[in-house]
Amino acid sequence: EAGVAQSPRYKIIEKRQSVAFWCNPISGHATLYWYQQILGQGPKLLIQFQNNGVVDDSQLPKDRFSAERLKGVDSTLKIQPAKLEDSAVYLCASSYSGTAGSTDTQYFGPGTRLTVL
Amino acid sequence: AQSVSQHNHHVILSEAASLELGCNYSYGGTVNLFWYVQYPGQHLQLLLKYFSGDPLVKGIKGFEAEFIKSKFSFNLRKPSVQWSDTAEYFCAVNGNNRLAFGKGNQVVVIP
Repeated sequence: EAGVAQSPRYKIIEKRQSVAFWCNPISGHATLYWYQQILGQGPKLLIQFQNNGVVDDSQLPKDRFSAERLKGVDSTLKIQPAKLEDSAVYLCASSYSGTAGSTDTQYFGPGTRLTVL
Repeated sequence: AQSVSQHNHHVILSEAASLELGCNYSYGGTVNLFWYVQYPGQHLQLLLKYFSGDPLVKGIKGFEAEFIKSKFSFNLRKPSVQWSDTAEYFCAVNGNNRLAFGKGNQVVVIP
């Protein structure tokens, strides 16, 4: 089965510019997650979708970050405007259901490495 | 909210040595526990997981982990490592439907 796809793999921008990342989850997976992984840290959840609804966006910096999952499949994460501290790897993951108390495994994509200059 | 602690961020050992990585978490409710691994140039993948039942869990590539509820720990072990085990290992805890990761252990196995 195909894994989680992400693009681009690398992106370099200047501060105050905007950037967008794309994710295509595993077919049939209802839940999609975006994580931010800063160098030397573990991934941190930014937002979780179940189908096309937001389940948890409590750790998303909403003044500059936005995400959508139209039609409950693909998702985009946008940063506008970017700051130096946004330099990180942005990971997308998906799981079959992701309902509360679920024991589903999350499957991760390769990530997008963002460098903000 | 739950939090996860992993110590000894950098571990260097020789082939055939034993490996143990510590993981402690803080969360008062029921948790699901995971170890993920990221090999050089590859994406995060599941190594093993614990949900319930036998607290000693066996995963891929000879890894195992033991859940000790009283110690809030989920330590990862492998009796004899290989060069191909060079990777970064992350402990993760799912409580309240959110997966929280530790900072990871960078493990380098010298042939």
